[in-house]
This record gives sequence, C-alpha cells and structure tokens, in this order.
Amino acid sequence: EVQVVESGGGLVQPGGSLRVSCAASGFIVTRNYMSWVRQAPGKGLEWVSTIFSDGGTYYADSMRGRFTISGDNSKSTLFLQMDSLRVDDTAVYYCTFPGGSDAFDFWGQGTLVTVSS
Amino acid sequence: EIVLTQSPATLSLSPGERATLSCRASQSVSTNLAYLAWFQQKPGQAPRLLIYDTSDRATGIPARFSGSLSGTDFTLTISTLEPEDFAVYYCQLRIIWPPTWTFGQGTKVEIK
Repeated sequence: EVQVVESGGGLVQPGGSLRVSCAASGFIVTRNYMSWVRQAPGKGLEWVSTIFSDGGTYYADSMRGRFTISGDNSKSTLFLQMDSLRVDDTAVYYCTFPGGSDAFDFWGQGTLVTVSS
Repeated sequence: EIVLTQSPATLSLSPGERATLSCRASQSVSTNLAYLAWFQQKPGQAPRLLIYDTSDRATGIPARFSGSLSGTDFTLTISTLEPEDFAVYYCQLRIIWPPTWTFGQGTKVEIK
C-alpha cells in the first residue's frame, strides 16, 4: 500500500520561514517528478512547485523566488522551503507523486501552514 | 497563462441522475502538449485522481466516470450518481513546456 506523509506545518509569523517535508513508502518505482499543491481554507487547489528527476524545478508565479523545492526522487522524499511567508500563504500543503498515469496519482493527507501574527 | 473555468459552480442532483461538468480553457490547447485530469475531493480529504489524459480512468475508478474533449471544452460525466459521488470536482491542465499545472476553481456536486 502506498503511503505519503507530510510533516513540518505549523504557525509562523508573516515574513518568517518554514520547511515542510514529505516521505513516501510502499512503492519503489522511481518517480519522474514530485510536486506540492496547496489549498487555502475553504478555497480550491493551487499548484505550487514541481521537481523532476533530472533536477529541474518549476514554480507557480506567486511562489517563485520565495519557495524552494528539493528532494530525492530515488528515496521518494520531498521538501519545500518557504521564505518571506505572507498571510495568503496560509493553506494545507499537499505532497503528490505520479503513478502509472504520470499524473497526480498519490497524495498525502496534507500539512497545515498558518501565517499569522 | 491558460485559465481553466469550470461550470457550473454548483450542481444539485439526485442519486441516479447523470452529472455533466464542464472545464473550459481560455485558449486552445494541443493534446500533444497538454494533458487534462479530473480530481474528486471530499471534505477533510486529499484530492483523488479520477481521469487523466482527458479520458483515461485512473486505477480503481468506476466506469460511470468518463472524460471527453470538444474544442476547448473538457467534460467530466458521471453517468449515474451514487451517494458517494457527492463532492467537489476539479479539472487540472498540465502544460508540458514550460512545465506548469493549472487547476479550475471547482464544481460542487450536491444532493438535491
């Protein structure tokens, strides 16, 4: 059974930093890419960032320059370093991996990041 | 930047009825350069992949879920609504280059 577990969420002040992590287990296939998706309270889904197995990293416009994605594809671990956090970054952050479909097949339960003074 | 617009925002139906959800891209997309997926999300849960590459069902997804494309309009059809199908549905477009993913704003399917 595939398990994806995020951790590291919490309360941080505006302008602060936080690092969230994700670990996947239950499958050994190397992933082509790994991604973060977030969801603000009561709102829809928003793509945040993706890292490919060749090391290429990509970000949504509003996160570029503030967020840094990293990870080890072979170990199925993923990180998101978030700097210069703003109140509107408050959201549940989900880690997601592709499966046989090469889409966002597997998801964790999410970790809540709250940016507030 | 391609924007996905889902309609309607809310769909009120009864179990056993057919649901048709629309997702319109703001510009034409080539199916060779972009891939559309559909997700279901229930309260307090992570999204679940239903459909990928416009019309392929993900593993374990019942045959009552189907996806299609006509022009710039993508459609998710649930042929016969089951009680567990009442949820929020999101479409998502993956652009191959530069790599970006965009979600629609969601359609809530609620019990009438």
